[in-house]
Formats: sequence, C-alpha cells, structure tokens
Amino acid sequence: ETGVTQTPRHLVMGMTNKKSLKCEQHLGHNAMYWYKQSAKKPLELMFVYSLEERVENNSVPSRFSPECPNSSHLFLHLHTLQPEDSALYLCASSQDREHEQFFGPGTRLTVL
Amino acid sequence: GQNIDQPTEMTATEGAIVQINCTYQTSGFNGLFWYQQHAGEAPTFLSYNVLDGLEEKGRFSSFLSRSKGYSYLLLKELQMKDSASYLCAVLRNTGGFKTIFGAGTRLFVKA
Repeated sequence: ETGVTQTPRHLVMGMTNKKSLKCEQHLGHNAMYWYKQSAKKPLELMFVYSLEERVENNSVPSRFSPECPNSSHLFLHLHTLQPEDSALYLCASSQDREHEQFFGPGTRLTVL
Repeated sequence: GQNIDQPTEMTATEGAIVQINCTYQTSGFNGLFWYQQHAGEAPTFLSYNVLDGLEEKGRFSSFLSRSKGYSYLLLKELQMKDSASYLCAVLRNTGGFKTIFGAGTRLFVKA
C-alpha cells in the first residue's frame, strides 16, 4: 500500500463545473496538507489540517473548499474555478507539523 | 517576513560533485529540509538539519549554518538519475510549526 494516494491524477474541467480531489494516507500521520504547484513558482501552501482540525488557511479563494472527515482522508472541493487555477495540486502528510512531509503523486488540473 | 533563495538552475557532469546553496531569512527558524522532485513526480524527503554542521547520508550531504542563514546540499558521484529539482524548505515555529518552500533548483546532469 503506497503511503499517500491522490485521485484523480488528471482532471480537466470547465469554469462552471464542480469537482473534488481526494487524498488518502496510510501512514498513521496526524497532519495533512494541500499545496498548489505552478510552473517555476514555489510550492504554495493552501490548507493544513492537524488532528482533523484546520489550522491554516493561506488566503485561499473560497472557490477552493477543503474537507477532512478523518485523519486518513482529505478532500479539496472545487467550484467555479478560473483558468489561472490550472496547476498541479499536491497532497502531503506528516507525523506532526514539525516532521518531514510525504507527498502524493498530485492531481494535474486544467481549467478551460 | 521570510525569504528563501536558491539558484534557479545548475548543470553538472556525471561523476562530479555539485553543491546547491540555499539562503534564508525568517523569524522563528527551527530547521531546514531538502527535498528532491523529479519532473512530473512528487517531492521526496532527503534531509533535515536543525543543528549547525554537516549531515552525511550516502552520496548526499546537507550543511547548515544558523548564524549565517545558509544551507547547502552536496551531491557526490553524480548520476544521470540525479537530474531533478531540489527544494530547500524552512521549518518555522511561531506559535505553531510551518514549512515554507523555496522555488527549487533544477539540476541537469550531463554525460
């Protein structure tokens, strides 16, 4: 069982669609993260959950809505996205927030 | 505020040694991570330094100087598979831990 899995791996959506990204970790970690990675830009932290509680929200537009139903699962709900939201969305987990992070393979999102 | 600087790109020859530098300015510094990211893949953890000095792990070593706000990743006996981006990331503790990533250094290893 791989550590951190993400589905789907690729997603193309229109600006009026609603979709969700899913992340699952099988490592028994307490913290989970959503990042956005655009070409030639640093990883942008979007949300952090620690023990299922959101502890950080980095001024992310409301068209991105996270959900953490339990310590193993993390979702990112998407609605009315813009073309500039096209990017690689990475999920990660760590034992606690001070430990190294384990990343999933990412979802390559294209917004038309 | 915080700032992390690393070169955008580097090129080195197979079998050689390369040093990738990272400088940072931040409050609440706790430690520094290095991650490797191959094109189209997720970042993977390489090292974590919290104390000054050199940490060696096989062909890869990482150095930290807290007083200078400086770190480097040293790759020895370069192989073609080492072509990747190398991300420097600072762990801050200002009432809660937070990891801030640099933009990464793309390393090209040529034969």
